[in-house]
Amino acid sequence: SAVISQKPSRDICQRGTSLTIQCQVDSQVTMMFWYRQQPGQSLTLIATANQGSEATYESGFVIDKFPISRPNLTFSTLTVSNMSPEDSSIYLCSVEPDTQYFGPGTRLTVL
Amino acid sequence: GQQLNQSPQSMFIQEGEDVSMNCTSSSIFNTWLWYKQDPGEGPVLLIALYKAGELTSNGRLTAQFGITRKDSFLNISASIPSDVGIYFCATTQGAQKLVFGQGTRLTINP
Repeated sequence: SAVISQKPSRDICQRGTSLTIQCQVDSQVTMMFWYRQQPGQSLTLIATANQGSEATYESGFVIDKFPISRPNLTFSTLTVSNMSPEDSSIYLCSVEPDTQYFGPGTRLTVL
Repeated sequence: GQQLNQSPQSMFIQEGEDVSMNCTSSSIFNTWLWYKQDPGEGPVLLIALYKAGELTSNGRLTAQFGITRKDSFLNISASIPSDVGIYFCATTQGAQKLVFGQGTRLTINP
């Protein structure tokens, strides 16, 4: 199994600002995924981050709001841009399809 | 998008009791996954099922992939306090995307 770390673990931000979340894996992986978990809800896929190409976004999520970088096979970032209180969620990265392993998540609160 | 119907939404049981939860869909899937999420943590994979009819155990946990490939259940025997958490079923949609059920929140009274 892969060991995944995320930074920061939590943050409180002001509306209108942006936050970049980092995801680091202890081994090289082809696919990295970013999920959002709104309070009391299940997980929803935001996008798939592919190394060497643009991320693939799910319906309802756009690159301007959630830009993603994937500079190498062990690292990815997700930026939550121009935040509003509705963006308050846990953001999780995961790796590989079928048996996906998740990071510990970043708990974001937007005031 | 495809929805998974997970039930029950919540369970309140006594320590030592057995637990059963299930997940159904109107579509056929080739994979069923069961995850547990503790407060403040990411989901942790418990059991992965890849074949219709497959029954797999992991300690006190047992999960089965329904023969119709449209459902799965998870059983926990002799529950203990550390079983508390939210349990999610998930399947793969297309080549990569994971779709999650709504979750079953398990509370255990000592």
